[in-house]
Amino acid sequence: AQTVTQSQPEMSVQEAETVTLSCTYDTSENNYYLFWYKQPPSRQMILVIRQEAYKQQNATENRFSVNFQKAAKSFSLKISDSQLGDTAMYFCAFITGTASKLTFGTGTRLQVTL
Amino acid sequence: GAVVSQHPSWVICKSGTSVKIECRSLDFQATTMFWYRQFPKQSLMLMATSNEGSKATYEQGVEKDKFLINHASLTLSTLTVTSAHPEDSSFYICSARDRGLAGNTGELFFGEGSRLTVL
Repeated sequence: AQTVTQSQPEMSVQEAETVTLSCTYDTSENNYYLFWYKQPPSRQMILVIRQEAYKQQNATENRFSVNFQKAAKSFSLKISDSQLGDTAMYFCAFITGTASKLTFGTGTRLQVTL
Repeated sequence: GAVVSQHPSWVICKSGTSVKIECRSLDFQATTMFWYRQFPKQSLMLMATSNEGSKATYEQGVEKDKFLINHASLTLSTLTVTSAHPEDSSFYICSARDRGLAGNTGELFFGEGSRLTVL
């Protein structure tokens, strides 16, 4: 079975600070893609960052970066210089090479405060 | 970027009636679309995979006759909640995969979601 675990239901960070959201997953396959999606209060899912499992280099997108540890099956998201607009639910997800559908974690609610 | 439009964004209906939700890929062709259901403060639960020109594949526990899915073209999939009941009230989200993306990159583009309230 393929599973995604997000152990932090809620987190809070002050504006301009850095926060890390954790995610672990389980799969027996070697070829897969990992994602972090953001769901703001508007409810539309937005892709934050994407990582191919075959790439050792951690993906970065402006203030967002990941720490991908393949052996540990860990895929954490770091948000630097947090902004109020980062307040949202964050979902970790992955898809394997043989599957056609995303497996989502339970989400982490991030609140950015002044 | 790729845009997926969902309509209506919210709908209120009486118990026993049917409601149709549309999911359109506006600037790309989507051979596969996915329908999710999301309860408050919970994750997305995949309901079914919709393939253009063929029958949808439903996840375990999802009633096929209750949630009718039609994917008649490469840009449109519809979800019809038949004989809706209050327990069907939820947030429904569709997503689509761009057939033009090489290989199975996994990236999905999401609609804005549709909030259904059944009275």
